[in-house]
Amino acid sequence: QKEVEQDPGPLSVPEGAIVSLNCTYSNSAFQYFMWYRQYSRKGPELLMYTYSSGNKEDGRFTAQVDKSSKYISLFIRDSQPSDSATYLCAMSPNTGGFKTIFGAGTRLFVKA
Amino acid sequence: NAGVMQNPRHLVRRRGQEARLRCSPMKGHSHVYWYRQLPEEGLKFMVYLQKENIIDESGMPKERFSAEFPKEGPSILRIQQVVRGDSAAYFCASSPARGGNTEAFFGQGTRLTVV
Repeated sequence: QKEVEQDPGPLSVPEGAIVSLNCTYSNSAFQYFMWYRQYSRKGPELLMYTYSSGNKEDGRFTAQVDKSSKYISLFIRDSQPSDSATYLCAMSPNTGGFKTIFGAGTRLFVKA
Repeated sequence: NAGVMQNPRHLVRRRGQEARLRCSPMKGHSHVYWYRQLPEEGLKFMVYLQKENIIDESGMPKERFSAEFPKEGPSILRIQQVVRGDSAAYFCASSPARGGNTEAFFGQGTRLTVV
């Protein structure tokens, strides 16, 4: 069993839809949870990070962490074609976190 | 302020040759991390370096792979005697001291193809 599981998709939605991206994990030591966006042929770009459980909102993006269920989510409201990318969840036990564990990524397509 | 610079962007090597991948961290960043990304897989940690020090190389294959971050110049990931299975995208990230992964910025990656 992988430490972090993420559905690879692809996920295809119409413009304006609410997108829900999810990851599950098995290591209860994880404290920091991150979401990266990666455009084709580009490096990952950090979107948001959350410490421990709870929600965090940044514009159209909301990250949720449920440590009791070992489940994290990223919601994208009013999705745009420019949101089409691969979204990677990542997590680590601390911010020294060079051993960040990444999910395989979910490919998202937002159709105009 | 330039971002993390990796070169070359694309590298083709024949089996048995050596591959050298370079990473210049962002200005002011002293920590460098190397990751490998295989198709349909997530980024896999390889090595964490600070200037002139390897802090953690637990993700590096035991043979043929090495990394350095000299006092002057870029960080280098070296793969000797490449094999087809080394074909992947290699990313480096950098962060300021104490910044950790929540302040790490990634480069564009080097795509290595072994033929």
